[in-house]
Amino acid sequence: DAKTTQPPSMDCAEGRAANLPCNHSTISGNEYVYWYRQIHSQGPQYIIHGLKNNETNEMASLIITEDRKSSTLILPHATLRDTAVYYCIVRDDKIIFGKGTRLHILP
Amino acid sequence: GAVVSQHPSRVICKSGTSVKIECRSLDFQATTMFWYRQFPKQSLMLMATSNEGSKATYEQGVEKDKFLINHASLTLSTLTVTSAHPEDSSFYICSARRSMGVFTYEQYFGPGTRLTVT
Repeated sequence: DAKTTQPPSMDCAEGRAANLPCNHSTISGNEYVYWYRQIHSQGPQYIIHGLKNNETNEMASLIITEDRKSSTLILPHATLRDTAVYYCIVRDDKIIFGKGTRLHILP
Repeated sequence: GAVVSQHPSRVICKSGTSVKIECRSLDFQATTMFWYRQFPKQSLMLMATSNEGSKATYEQGVEKDKFLINHASLTLSTLTVTSAHPEDSSFYICSARRSMGVFTYEQYFGPGTRLTVT
């Protein structure tokens, strides 16, 4: 079973920051938090991952709370092409997908 | 970034026939590959873990005699759906694990294969 909880859907206006929350209260000390997204009819695309420090790359930022029980993925300037299902995953040996958050970018 | 390919991208077959899907890691060697299945409006479900040179490990509820997995080389894993039925119609996605060092690895996903059984 997935170890994360995400809202089923969110809306964000184009050009604004999209903040996607994720709860992972049972995370273990050596488990990483990964984010993937899946655009319709495509394979999952890696976005970012982190252990306990905040991370940033060209796609997004990942903010992990100090107790590591939750995290937020931030897309700084959402575009219509960011419309997808976003999966927050606590990676053990295998990647198990939960239901994710369906992000709608509104023009 | 690392690239994983799948072939074919789409396939239509008749009920009762078998169909093979290939998954290749194009620029790295993958000792472990994974096969997922996704039904419409649902999340990806892990079917099995494929290790090079050994038998695949299937998740609970997945019929190993129906979904044959072969991982004969470090860059190729195949999934054969035997005696396919319309309920096997789905989006099949493979994933390959790439070692990044001792006890560290990343996992990359293929573009998926849409199987339609008529």
